[in-house]
Amino acid sequence: QVQLRESGPGLVKPSETLSLTCSVSGGSMSRYYWSWIRQPAGKGLEWIGRFYTTETSSYNPSLKSRVTMSLDTARQQFSLRLTSVTAADTAVYYCASTPKAYCSGDSCYAGWGQGTLVTVSA
Amino acid sequence: SYVLTQPPSVSVAPGQTATIACGGDNIAGKSVHWYQKKPGQAPVLVVYDDSARPSGIPERFSGSNSGSAATATLTISRVEAGDEADYFCQVWDSRSDHPEVFGGGTKLTVL
Repeated sequence: QVQLRESGPGLVKPSETLSLTCSVSGGSMSRYYWSWIRQPAGKGLEWIGRFYTTETSSYNPSLKSRVTMSLDTARQQFSLRLTSVTAADTAVYYCASTPKAYCSGDSCYAGWGQGTLVTVSA
Repeated sequence: SYVLTQPPSVSVAPGQTATIACGGDNIAGKSVHWYQKKPGQAPVLVVYDDSARPSGIPERFSGSNSGSAATATLTISRVEAGDEADYFCQVWDSRSDHPEVFGGGTKLTVL
């Protein structure tokens, strides 16, 4: 299983753009699908979206208009951009990996980063 | 969108068996995955595809998803203090525009 590590600003101002990077080591990114998931303090896990290819991604409908994901296999990085953030976007953000053909429908998350806390505040 | 329901909390004494339920409409027709989440740590996949265990997960962790009850179940046998954590179930509803669904989580307390 690859190792994942999220990085990015811990503080973002309201209405600005949240940008996070997931650095991947220990294996080829092409063997996995990549997702972002977040957890607000005291709440459950919320799926943000999954990246399959440049042409194919799946996003949470409630966030779709504000989310962009991208993959840079040369750099072994997976990125998230979330625009027009509000306090409701304050959460720990995780990148997660799904090994291809590992679980039914490629639907489980076998690898997770440690998470990075992003606070939206002026 | 699809909804998964979990009890907020389950308590069990060390050495006993913990059972955590995950309810959803026709859940027996879906593949259910379970994650363990400890404070400040990344989630860990403990059961996938209803009952399969990833490499490195103890046999004490098992899952089921069958029968007439609209629930999937995570069972932890011979519970240890280190099992205290939040446990989340998850399914992928491919027919939904919100395909990825997590349950609200169950806090397992080891007495």
